[in-house]
Amino acid sequence: DAGVTQSPTHLIKTRGQHVTLRCSPISGHKSVSWYQQVLGQGPQFIFQYYEKEERGRGNFPDRFSARQFPNYSSELNVNALLLGDSALYLCASSPSYEQYFGPGTRLTVT
Amino acid sequence: GIQVEQSPPDLILQEGANSTLRCNFSDSVNNLQWFHQNPWGQLINLFYIPSGTKQNGRLSATTVATERYSLLYISSSQTTDSGVYFCAVAGNQFYFGTGTSLTVIP
Repeated sequence: DAGVTQSPTHLIKTRGQHVTLRCSPISGHKSVSWYQQVLGQGPQFIFQYYEKEERGRGNFPDRFSARQFPNYSSELNVNALLLGDSALYLCASSPSYEQYFGPGTRLTVT
Repeated sequence: GIQVEQSPPDLILQEGANSTLRCNFSDSVNNLQWFHQNPWGQLINLFYIPSGTKQNGRLSATTVATERYSLLYISSSQTTDSGVYFCAVAGNQFYFGTGTSLTVIP
């Protein structure tokens, strides 16, 4: 079975630009969550979506937004990028409680 | 939010040694997972263990939910066990600890 997939693997953006990150969950999983992991820290929760509805939001500014599509894939959007947004962005899918993570997208903001 | 503390923060072991990693959490949770993060950033599921004890090969884990802690045991460590181990708990959202960085030297 295919695991959680994320794209792109890496990308480099300039301050002020916008970025869209994509995630495809494991087949049959209806919940997708997004996390930000900066170097040396544990992942921080950004959003959770279930059946296309937002179920939870972490302590992130409104520049961060997300959505889930009918096929349960998801996008994370970040506007007006700051240097501090440089991080590994992780997506997780879940059938109920247990979470399974994708390989992540490494974003560098210059 | 729920506070998650992991100890020790860093651990260096000789190959073949055993170790115990601890995770303390500040509130009742309905989910607890242990992960191993490899050098490329991939979080690998080790255990889903909201309570009780589980074993998988050289690894085992115990969660005592009433006392709000979990332990991860690694026996006969190998160099491939190196990496960062995270405990994560779920209340209304998922909270990760700060991790234990394990280095196994040959």
